[in-house]
Amino acid sequence: QSALTQPPSASGSPGQSVTISCTGSSSDVGAYNYVSWYQQYPGKAPKLMIYEVNKRPSGVPDRFSGSKSGNTASLTVSGLRAEDEAVYYCASHAGSNKWVFGGGTKLTVL
Amino acid sequence: EVQLVESGGGLVQPGGSLRLSCTVSGFIFSNYWMNWVRQAPGKGLEWVAIIQQHGSSQQYLDSVRGRFTVSRDNARNLLYLQMNSLRAEDTAVYYCVRGESGAFEMWGQGTEVTVSS
Repeated sequence: QSALTQPPSASGSPGQSVTISCTGSSSDVGAYNYVSWYQQYPGKAPKLMIYEVNKRPSGVPDRFSGSKSGNTASLTVSGLRAEDEAVYYCASHAGSNKWVFGGGTKLTVL
Repeated sequence: EVQLVESGGGLVQPGGSLRLSCTVSGFIFSNYWMNWVRQAPGKGLEWVAIIQQHGSSQQYLDSVRGRFTVSRDNARNLLYLQMNSLRAEDTAVYYCVRGESGAFEMWGQGTEVTVSS
């Protein structure tokens, strides 16, 4: 159960787009379409932003989108806004009903 | 309104035990897989355990298997995590999380566990 690999930080100016990667293996990200993304503000519980690679829960702005290619999943935030500044985590099913998270990416809106 | 409220956290010595509880409301508890996810101070999220809707199947993070036990009481809308042989590295905020569509859909606010002498 190795953690998925995310860049520690990402940044962009308001209105720009930023993409955060999440690299796993053929045993997790590459094997299943159960990749999800979470937004976490300091001192708060995480919030689901994307599930099943590219689906958005009700209430999540369509500025947030997800994709996957091979063993790497990506979260794209378009039209960056100040309130998007947070830590983002990816997660994936890893087989045998085990789950693994990425290390998190701190998104800074410049 | 969907609510998940954790309790039972606190300070415990290494080797000690603690039982966390999660009281849920606002949805049919027995319809969902449930998880425990933890976050060590200043660190990322780590999945800990999952339990099937009627409690007949569980799975654990390798480092807690044999020490932690997840269970549920569907009649009382309660999820539990029994933690034994606690170690310093188990220090974290523990979240109760509802599972849906292969994701961690709804989170509680967490309960803090500190393992220290």
